[in-house]
Amino acid sequence: DGGITQSPKYLFRKEGQNVTLSCEQNLNHDAMYWYRQDPGQGLRLIYYSQIVNDFQKGDIAEGYSVSREKKESFPLTVTSAQKNPTAFYLCASIGGVLNTEAFFGQGTRLTVV
Amino acid sequence: AQKVTQAQTEISVVEKEDVTLDCVYETRDTTYYLFWYKQPPSGELVFLIRRNSFDEQNEISGRYSWNFQKSTSSFNFTITASQVVDSAVYFCALTAGGTSYGKLTFGQGTILTVHP
Repeated sequence: DGGITQSPKYLFRKEGQNVTLSCEQNLNHDAMYWYRQDPGQGLRLIYYSQIVNDFQKGDIAEGYSVSREKKESFPLTVTSAQKNPTAFYLCASIGGVLNTEAFFGQGTRLTVV
Repeated sequence: AQKVTQAQTEISVVEKEDVTLDCVYETRDTTYYLFWYKQPPSGELVFLIRRNSFDEQNEISGRYSWNFQKSTSSFNFTITASQVVDSAVYFCALTAGGTSYGKLTFGQGTILTVHP
């Protein structure tokens, strides 16, 4: 079945560590996105990529980094520079008719311990 | 710049009541798409509907219906005869044309609680 897979579902990080969240899609979508969701809030865009080897900062990119070496993969690294990384992270890809169908993964809940 | 506003933070209803979730959007683009998503407690976002800026026809899908009005920049969502399983967070979202095509902007979400 086609879809987006995020892993792991739960992730714990010690302060000062970098961690990488995985996002893989087999939908052949060109565009991929990372969003952050805090309790009681909407989704805020961290980074997005509309083509391999290219990506743009979203609204809250500080403290995060991404790469897009393959069409299927868009990993997000939460660096030690991110002061408040505890949140729910959602990956999405956009494709379908006129690139307007947005599909989401199941999310990764990151907690700093 | 684009913006989505969901003024209702939380709504609480009793089962079988009808409920409308409001969404107001802002964009300077003439070509854009609006979405509604449902987020159950599991966290995954479930796609409900997409509507493009050239199609103002309202849509009904089972107990769900959507009212798109460009004149008021609104895309409201109604659940008829609500059920406990409808309890979730609902998000309205917008993606516009031009260089920002594909960038999906979300509202803050509306928490819907349906009591038995």
